[in-house]
Amino acid sequence: AQTVTQSQPEMSVQEAETVTLSCTYDTSESDYYLFWYKQPPSRQMILVIRQEAYKQQNATENRFSVNFQKAAKSFSLKISDSQLGDAAMYFCAYRIDSGYALNFGKGTSLLVTP
Amino acid sequence: DAGITQSPRYKITETGRQVTLMCHQTWSHSYMFWYRQDLGHGLRLIYYSAAADITDKGEVPDGYVVSRSKTENFPLTLESATRSQTSVYFCASSRGGESPGAFFGQGTRLTVV
Repeated sequence: AQTVTQSQPEMSVQEAETVTLSCTYDTSESDYYLFWYKQPPSRQMILVIRQEAYKQQNATENRFSVNFQKAAKSFSLKISDSQLGDAAMYFCAYRIDSGYALNFGKGTSLLVTP
Repeated sequence: DAGITQSPRYKITETGRQVTLMCHQTWSHSYMFWYRQDLGHGLRLIYYSAAADITDKGEVPDGYVVSRSKTENFPLTLESATRSQTSVYFCASSRGGESPGAFFGQGTRLTVV
């Protein structure tokens, strides 16, 4: 079974600073996808960024980027120039290539302070 | 509007009652999923469906029943609600293939008293 581990239950960052959220996963698959989802207080699950395992280049989406280390099975999310609106719960998720259900970590609560 | 909608948004029910959570998507996505979210557990998969009339169990299926007679609908039924089923339930859909992940509904907060 695949597992996703987020070792930081809570993180805090000051506005305009950079923060990195950690995620590790366990799998024997070679083809898979990794995702970061954001869940603000509204409860809506919002896809932030995705990474295909076969791509060596790290994905970026505006202020959000990932550090994907396939050998280490690590997938961290970096948020640059943090904004108050970034405050949310962040979930790391994994999906094998041949299936479509996501396996989620337990989440990291990000607090952004002025 | 196009998208994925869940109803109701909030529900309180009594122990032992049957309750159905509705999920409707307008994208014609093949895949649909039900997750529950509990503090300290993240989101856990209850059931999923690859197409109409095809469903399969996820990580925590006990006490739940699903059906998918039409591609766009994927209701989740709690046959006899228990307090341990108090949770936030999310429905999601995905078109499969090189899909950009799954798209989620707004969630249903269910309280069993």
